[in-house]
Amino acid sequence: QLQLQESGSGLVKPSQTLSLTCAVSGGSISSGGYSWSWIRQPPGKGLEWIGYIYHSGSTYYNPSLKSRVTISVDRSKNQFSLKLSSVTAADTAVYYCARSTIFNAFDIWGQGTMVTVSS
Amino acid sequence: QSALTQPASVSGSPGQSITISCTGTSSDVGSYNLVSWYQQHPGKAPKLMIYEVSKRPSGVSNRFSGSKSGNTASLTISGLQAEDEADYYCCSYAGSSTHFGTGTKVTVL
Repeated sequence: QLQLQESGSGLVKPSQTLSLTCAVSGGSISSGGYSWSWIRQPPGKGLEWIGYIYHSGSTYYNPSLKSRVTISVDRSKNQFSLKLSSVTAADTAVYYCARSTIFNAFDIWGQGTMVTVSS
Repeated sequence: QSALTQPASVSGSPGQSITISCTGTSSDVGSYNLVSWYQQHPGKAPKLMIYEVSKRPSGVSNRFSGSKSGNTASLTISGLQAEDEADYYCCSYAGSSTHFGTGTKVTVL
């Protein structure tokens, strides 16, 4: 059974870069037909798609975050990562990693990790 | 990026049926049959309930069904049960992008 687990700093200072990693277990991140995504949820608010990386390495980002986001894959470690630069308090949220099928359905999710932006 | 519009809340009594709407545009819901629905209980990760407008993943109750007409998708929960009380989000492919809905809180009276 494929599982995803987020890790990274839970507290980031304003203007710095948020860095998170999603470890994939129970399967290979190189399996064709899937993309690997980041989604966030500010406290008490709805879900926001951040972006995904296809098995081919192509990346697609939310236009509102595109200038600050980088998603990458480390196949040797079977994990993928998120970097969000120049963070502000508005970036405070629970960050989820998820697997997306070719039909754009997020079928497997990590448990989520809370990131707070504060000095 | 525009969020899909959902009602903030919907409620129903046990055994009843409820329907949650999800209104997008001709650039997302109206153009692609790639609408999915997620159930989220407090403090938990979302769970996929419907994909490709009306398909159910293995293990999801057949009390959950989805449909679409024009720019609006819908999720119907029949035979409402206490365990269905949660937040529900729709999601649509939008051409190299993805839009989530604003979310609907379902209350079982």
